[in-house]
Amino acid sequence: EAGVAQSPRYKIIEKRQSVAFWCNPISGHATLYWYQQILGQGPKLLIQFQNNGVVDDSQLPKDRFSAERLKGVDSTLKIQPAKLEDSAVYLCASREGSAYNEQFFGPGTRLTVL
Amino acid sequence: DQQVKQNSPSLSVQEGRISILNCDYTNSMFDYFLWYKKYPAEGPTFLISISSIKDKNEDGRFTVFLNKSAKHLSLHIVPSQPGDSAVYFCAASDRIQGAQKLVFGQGTRLTINP
Repeated sequence: EAGVAQSPRYKIIEKRQSVAFWCNPISGHATLYWYQQILGQGPKLLIQFQNNGVVDDSQLPKDRFSAERLKGVDSTLKIQPAKLEDSAVYLCASREGSAYNEQFFGPGTRLTVL
Repeated sequence: DQQVKQNSPSLSVQEGRISILNCDYTNSMFDYFLWYKKYPAEGPTFLISISSIKDKNEDGRFTVFLNKSAKHLSLHIVPSQPGDSAVYFCAASDRIQGAQKLVFGQGTRLTINP
């Protein structure tokens, strides 16, 4: 079974530039998550999709972050404009629909904002 | 407000001995707890979980204990092996409108010494 795919793996940008990350979840997984992991901290949920609908985006900084999941499969997360404090690893995870299944994580995209 | 806390940033254990990683939480509504393991440049991988209705779950060398009255859980690894060296995250599951949401601790870096 193929895992969660993410690209790019690394990205370096200047502040105020924009950036986009892509995620392809495990086939058949209805739920998709985007997390932000700042160095020395645990992953923090940004947004959760169930199929192509948003379930929870309460911690997404909506003035600069946006995400979409077209056709309920792939997802993109965009930051525009980026700030220095956005430097982090952005993790995508997916999960089957059953109540207590674990989330499967991709390798993440390491973003550095200069 | 940190709902899930791992108070030890690092732990060093000799190979063959027991490793004990601790986690405290504040939200009594959490219904499921998970441990994830993370190697550098990889996403977290699921290790073991426990439902809030149980107090122990065992899987090979890994055992998770849950003390609901103390809002505390721990992960025991016996015997510890060099390949266990990684960052371990405790996560607690909350339900928002029926959807699972994970809240992560800050992580504990475990080093197994030969």
